[in-house]
Formats: sequence, structure tokens, C-alpha cells
Amino acid sequence: NAGVTQTPKFQVLKTGQSMTLQCAQDMNHEYMSWYRQDPGMGLRLIHYSVGAGITDQGEVPNGYNVSRSTTEDFPLRLLSAAPSQTSVYFCASSRDTVNTEAFFGQGTRLTVV
Amino acid sequence: GNSVTQMEGPVTLSEEAFLTINCTYTATGYPSLFWYVQYPGEGLQLLLKATKADDKGSNKGFEATYRKETTSFHLEKGSVQVSDSAVYFCALILYSSASKIIFGSGTRLSIRP
Repeated sequence: NAGVTQTPKFQVLKTGQSMTLQCAQDMNHEYMSWYRQDPGMGLRLIHYSVGAGITDQGEVPNGYNVSRSTTEDFPLRLLSAAPSQTSVYFCASSRDTVNTEAFFGQGTRLTVV
Repeated sequence: GNSVTQMEGPVTLSEEAFLTINCTYTATGYPSLFWYVQYPGEGLQLLLKATKADDKGSNKGFEATYRKETTSFHLEKGSVQVSDSAVYFCALILYSSASKIIFGSGTRLSIRP
């Protein structure tokens, strides 16, 4: 029972490099989201998707792109990495968002040098 | 706007002590309220939830009551264990804001044997 799988777990990038953080879920959930976790700031929403082909911006979308071509996958792309994007990134999915729980991946710790 | 405010951490207690972590919220509608827990090196997982006023969520000895009059959802446990050491996040979801979970900043709890 995999749940939400994120890869990689750790990544170091140089400023200006691009990369994609992968997220996959096997629960047939319609809703998927990306958050970043920074000390003292809790989790902040980057982008989210309410279903395949539909994405929208969250609280802190600048510097990130997403796409949702399938129900299962929701990759997050960093276009040109900056030190301010050093953070822990979490992907989450849920069946709906009103009363049901969100399931989180184990996170990706990204360092931009 | 909509927001969640948690008590500042870290909180350090001895084993078997009583725990309270305060959480208050501001919301324009009628939110569902959640407590998530993050154990070291892991993603967040749902601890308990309440979907309407006066509901009590409970799990693993933890409880929280949805208090609309004080806009609060304080987390309590009568006797904590070392294994409860983790970061606790209070969160809300509004029906009108699909996929947008609003998190508090988190409270780190450490339990001494």
C-alpha cells in the first residue's frame, strides 16, 4: 500500500539549475497539492490540482510550475533554482478536501547553493 | 483572511504529564478543523478532526473540541509518552476553497522519560 510517493528524498542544486520533484499516488485521489515547509512558518501551499488537466496557484507559486496529465502524478518543476527555494517539499493527496484527510508523502529536502 | 494560530514551541514535558497545545482560527465561513502530527523524518499524518461546532475529535489518547464561540480547537492529552514527541500542526479547510488546507506554524513537542 504505497500511498503518496515522492522522489527524490534529498537533492542539492546549484543556483540556476532546474529540476522536477516527482509525486505519485495510488489511491485514485482527485485532489493533489504541493507544500513547502520552512522553519517557523508551517506549510505553505505552492500549487494544487482538483483533477487531471486542472491546476491552480496556491500561496507561494512563483518559481514553480506544475502539470497534471494523469490522476496519479503531480510533478513540481523548479525552473531556475534560487537559494530562497531551499526547503522541505511535501506532496499531498485527498479524495476531497472538505471532511477527509490529506495523505502526505515523506518529503523532499532541497538545498540550493 | 483565513488563518490558524498555534502556541509557540518548543514544548518540553515529562512523561505522564498533561498536554495542551492551543490553536485558534480565523475563518470567513464554517471550516473543518484538523490536527496533523509529523514524526521525525516523516510526512504529516492526520491525528484527529472535527467538522462542525461542538464536535470532539479523538485518537491515540488525544482529544480536541471544535469551539465556535471561542474559535478554538485546542489539543489535549491526559498522559503523554516519549513516543508522542513530534511536531503538531493545527489546520483548517473551508468548503469554499477546494484543496486549500491552511496550516498553523506547528508546535514541536518533546517528552522527557
